[in-house]
Amino acid sequence: NAGVTQTPKFQVLKTGQSMTLQCAQDMNHEYMSWYRQDPGMGLRLIHYSVGAGITDQGEVPNGYNVSRSTTEDFPLRLLSAAPSQTSVYFCATSYYRGKGSEAFFGQGTRLTVV
Amino acid sequence: AQSVTQLDSHVSVSEGTPVLLRCNYSSSYSPSLFWYVQHPNKGLQLLLKYTSAATLVKGINGFEAEFKKSETSFHLTKPSAHMSDAAEYFCVVRGYNAGNNRKLIWGLGTSLAVNP
Repeated sequence: NAGVTQTPKFQVLKTGQSMTLQCAQDMNHEYMSWYRQDPGMGLRLIHYSVGAGITDQGEVPNGYNVSRSTTEDFPLRLLSAAPSQTSVYFCATSYYRGKGSEAFFGQGTRLTVV
Repeated sequence: AQSVTQLDSHVSVSEGTPVLLRCNYSSSYSPSLFWYVQHPNKGLQLLLKYTSAATLVKGINGFEAEFKKSETSFHLTKPSAHMSDAAEYFCVVRGYNAGNNRKLIWGLGTSLAVNP
């Protein structure tokens, strides 16, 4: 049981480049989300999805796109990387219904934009 | 609307002494509350969760937390700190309302240092 798998673990981009961060889960969770973590700012929600075909914006969506074509996958796309997007990115999944559903996290992607 | 405040950004204790990490929450409805831990350069791991069963919740690695509705608090404690407890700790609230808002609201974290 792999849980939540994020790839890549590390990435360096040049300003203006695009890339996709991958997130895959095998727990049949309806809810998937992307966070970024920056020093002193905790985790901030970028985008989330409550099921295949349904996505919505979080706190800091600008510069990022998502899609959810299957239950298992929730890729995050950086359209034109900027130095301000240097961060650690986490994918998280959980059951949508059920009050006590905790989130399960991938190991993170450390992204540097130069 | 839900919110969560971690009252200390940094806590330093000596090995073998008690740990107290403070968290206050705001929620219009009966919340679920969680504590997560993040060791340096690692992912996030669930320590414990409260879901309206027992108000004293026991978690992994000897940690526990008590839900106090009257004080809107969910403080994390451990009787005796170990060097391996040095990490970042996050308090998280998930509300439950008619709109079924399932988003997690994160505190800014408390960095725990354990001195030998």
